[in-house]
Amino acid sequence: QKEVEQDPGPLSVPEGAIVSLNCTYSNSAFQYFMWYRQYSRKGPELLMYTYSSGNKEDGRFTAQVDKSSKYISLFIRDSQPSDSATYLCAMSEGDTNAGKSTFGDGTTLTVKP
Amino acid sequence: DAMVIQNPRYQVTQFGKPVTLSCSQTLNHNVMYWYQQKSSQAPKLLFHYYDKDFNNEADTPDNFQSRRPNTSFCFLDIRSPGLGDAAMYLCATSREPGVEQYFGPGTRLTVT
Repeated sequence: QKEVEQDPGPLSVPEGAIVSLNCTYSNSAFQYFMWYRQYSRKGPELLMYTYSSGNKEDGRFTAQVDKSSKYISLFIRDSQPSDSATYLCAMSEGDTNAGKSTFGDGTTLTVKP
Repeated sequence: DAMVIQNPRYQVTQFGKPVTLSCSQTLNHNVMYWYQQKSSQAPKLLFHYYDKDFNNEADTPDNFQSRRPNTSFCFLDIRSPGLGDAAMYLCATSREPGVEQYFGPGTRLTVT
């Protein structure tokens, strides 16, 4: 079983929809949680990061972490065609375990006009 | 703007012909990473430098080497590329190990 499991997708939604992207994990030592957006043939772009349980909001994006359930989510409000990309969750133990980040396999999102 | 730069963006090499990919950063971050990413897969960590300390992943083939001559630059050397090494190679940086990473645009390597 993988340490990080991400909803596989693909996900297709109409413009304006609320999108929920989810990851679960098994390693209770994970402390840092990140979301990256990757457009086709480009490098991942850091979207949001959080170091604690709870919600963090940035514009149309909300990152949610529930450490007790080992579950993280990224919500996108008022989705736009420009949000069409692959979204990667990532998490780490911090500076232990050589500071490695463990990535999910990604969820590909298409927002249709 | 502070950023991570990778050169070249596209590289074509022949089977067995050594190739070097470069990465530079203006973020002044302590940690630099090299990842390999194949189509529809998560990035796979090859190795990273924390300052001058080199950390190799156990499953990284010996064919892959890295150099970090100074804080700003890091190189990935593939000594004898095979067809299976065709992939996107991503460089990333972070201020400390384990925190959020900033990626470059990647170098897409083709092996003929």
